[in-house]
Amino acid sequence: SQKIEQNSEALNIQEGKTATLTCNYTNYSPAYLQWYRQDPGRGPVFLLLIRENEKEKRKERLKVTFDTTLKQSLFHITASQPADSATYLCALDVRGFKTIFGAGTRLFVKA
Amino acid sequence: DAGVIQSPRHEVTEMGQEVTLRCKPISGHDYLFWYRQTMMRGLELLIYFNNNVPIDDSGMPEDRFSAKMPNASFSTLKIQPSEPRDSAVYFCASSLASVLTFGSGTRLTVV
Repeated sequence: SQKIEQNSEALNIQEGKTATLTCNYTNYSPAYLQWYRQDPGRGPVFLLLIRENEKEKRKERLKVTFDTTLKQSLFHITASQPADSATYLCALDVRGFKTIFGAGTRLFVKA
Repeated sequence: DAGVIQSPRHEVTEMGQEVTLRCKPISGHDYLFWYRQTMMRGLELLIYFNNNVPIDDSGMPEDRFSAKMPNASFSTLKIQPSEPRDSAVYFCASSLASVLTFGSGTRLTVV
């Protein structure tokens, strides 16, 4: 069956360290993959999009990689801050612009 | 732009009652999505529209759920009759191609 998997356990890291979140998928061939941030009581907010022909994308302290052979994306936050604490969601287009989401990984950055 | 506007923010209703959730997408966006989020199942795609036409409603759980988009600036999601297991946060999102902009969601509680 088609599936998107993210670490279900929360990730706890110390301020200043790099957080790395994983998104794995099966039985899809997405043209692109997206990462969103969700804070409690709010809707997800778009962060980054990476296309199938791109290996890596950066935006300020954020970096995303996309390996279509492994069917995996890694999301990195460097020099993490307590304000980065949130749930991070991976999203794929599965056909046209039909977009489905993983369950998300909660990140806690401790000061 | 005010973003995607959803109403109401909170809805508490009794089992068996009809519930209508409303969404105003961002002007100019041609895709509109309805998602449901719960702790157990994450963010599930219910239905999405392109240019006011429903494209894929395979995520709608049962016939009790229906969605309409009578024009480019308004959509509704209706549940009739509602059941306790429908309790969740319902998000509307709109997009122009790939990146989704979410509303603040409607928290529905069915007692």
